Amino acid sequence: SAVISQKPSRDICQRGTSLTIQCQVDSQVTMMFWYRQQPGQSLTLIATANQGSEATYESGFVIDKFPISRPNLTFSTLTVSNMSPEDSSIYLCSAEQQTYNEQFFGPGTRLTVL
Amino acid sequence: QQQVKQSPQSLIVQKGGISIINCAYENTAFDYFPWYQQFPGKGPALLIAIRPDVSEKKEGRFTISFNKSAKQFSLHIMDSQPGDSATYFCAATDAGGTSYGKLTFGQGTILTVHP
Repeated sequence: SAVISQKPSRDICQRGTSLTIQCQVDSQVTMMFWYRQQPGQSLTLIATANQGSEATYESGFVIDKFPISRPNLTFSTLTVSNMSPEDSSIYLCSAEQQTYNEQFFGPGTRLTVL
Repeated sequence: QQQVKQSPQSLIVQKGGISIINCAYENTAFDYFPWYQQFPGKGPALLIAIRPDVSEKKEGRFTISFNKSAKQFSLHIMDSQPGDSATYFCAATDAGGTSYGKLTFGQGTILTVHP
């Protein structure tokens, strides 16, 4: 199974600022995804990040607010821009091993916006 | 049509008992159904998954039962242990279709196993 790491693990930020979350996979993967999880809630997909193409965003999420980069097959970043307290959440990246369609998750980044 | 409905919201089981969590879906294009286990402060961990060409899959104490006609699937945890106490999420996707692996998650079930 793929091993996924995220940085930072948590952060406290001021409103109006931006935070970039990094996601590193220990093997090459085609599909990477970014999810948001409110404490005690389920996971909501933000966007799909494919190498060599623009990210595909789900309804309710826009590129200006959540720009994503995917420079290679093992790395992706998600930026949360112009943050407000409503952006306080856990942000998770995942990667899919296409051979088995198995999707593995990183440990998450816990973001608090004051 | 993209929803996955999960029940119960919370479940309390005695050690050694059977934990059963149910999920129902509407999108008949879904063809891959994983279950994830999540401990507090951790990311979800893939537990077991099933495809609709089989009705049951077992891995250790964990079994998925799948009913394609009813569009339902369930997770059974046999001989439940206190270490199984976690939040469980069912999910679904049309892995070979236009969703390109995007997972739709159920609402989650908080399982507590008492010693």
